[in-house]
Amino acid sequence: KNEVEQSPQNLTAQEGEFITINCSYSVGISALHWLQQHPGGGIVSLFMLSSGKKKHGRLIATINIQEKHSSLHITASHPRDSAVYICAVKVDTDKLIFGTGTRLQVFP
Amino acid sequence: DAGVIQSPRHEVTEMGQEVTLRCKPISGHDYLFWYRQTMMRGLELLIYFNNNVPIDDSGMPEDRFSAKMPNASFSTLKIQPSEPRDSAVYFCASSLTAGGYSTDTQYFGPGTRLTVL
Repeated sequence: KNEVEQSPQNLTAQEGEFITINCSYSVGISALHWLQQHPGGGIVSLFMLSSGKKKHGRLIATINIQEKHSSLHITASHPRDSAVYICAVKVDTDKLIFGTGTRLQVFP
Repeated sequence: DAGVIQSPRHEVTEMGQEVTLRCKPISGHDYLFWYRQTMMRGLELLIYFNNNVPIDDSGMPEDRFSAKMPNASFSTLKIQPSEPRDSAVYFCASSLTAGGYSTDTQYFGPGTRLTVL
C-alpha cells in the first residue's frame, strides 16, 4: 500500500464545476504539499500546509491531521486548470513522499 | 530571481555513456533536492543536500548514480554507465528552510528529460 494515496486518479469536468481532489496518507508528517504539473511538465507548488485551510484565488486546500487527509478544491473550474495535481507529504525534516497524482481535464 | 535552473533540458545518449545533469538552486536556499519522474513510479526523491552536505541518499537507485554539491550554487547528478531504464525526467528543487517542522515550500526547476537508447 502506498504511503500517500490520491483519488480520483483521473477527473473530467465541465468548465465552471466545483472540483475536489483527495489525498490520504499513512505516515506522520510535518506538512503537506499540493503541486500542479502542466502538460509541458513544469511543477509548481500550490500550497504547503500543516493545519487548517489555505486559499489562493479559486484554489482551496484543507488538511485534517487527525484523519490524515487533505483535500484540494477548485471553484469555478476553467480549462486552464487542466493539469496533474500531486499531493506530497513532508516526513522527517524535509523529505517528500509523493502521491501518484490526479489528472484533471476541464472542458469548455 | 531566475528560479531553479537545470541543464540540459533534454539529453539523448546511448547505453553505457556517462550522463551529467546540472542544477543551480535559487540563491540563498540551503536545501537542494534531486527527483526522478517516470510514468511507472511517478515522482521519487533521489537525494537531498543541506548546506552542500548530502543528508539522505536512500533514494539513489544504485552505485551508477552519484550526486555532488561542491558549493551553494551548483549541484550535479551523474549516471555512469547509463541504461535505458534510467530514461526519465529529472527534477531539481530548492528550498529555504529553518529545519525541523518548517513549512517552506520547494521550488522546482524545469527538469531534464533524459532518454537512454
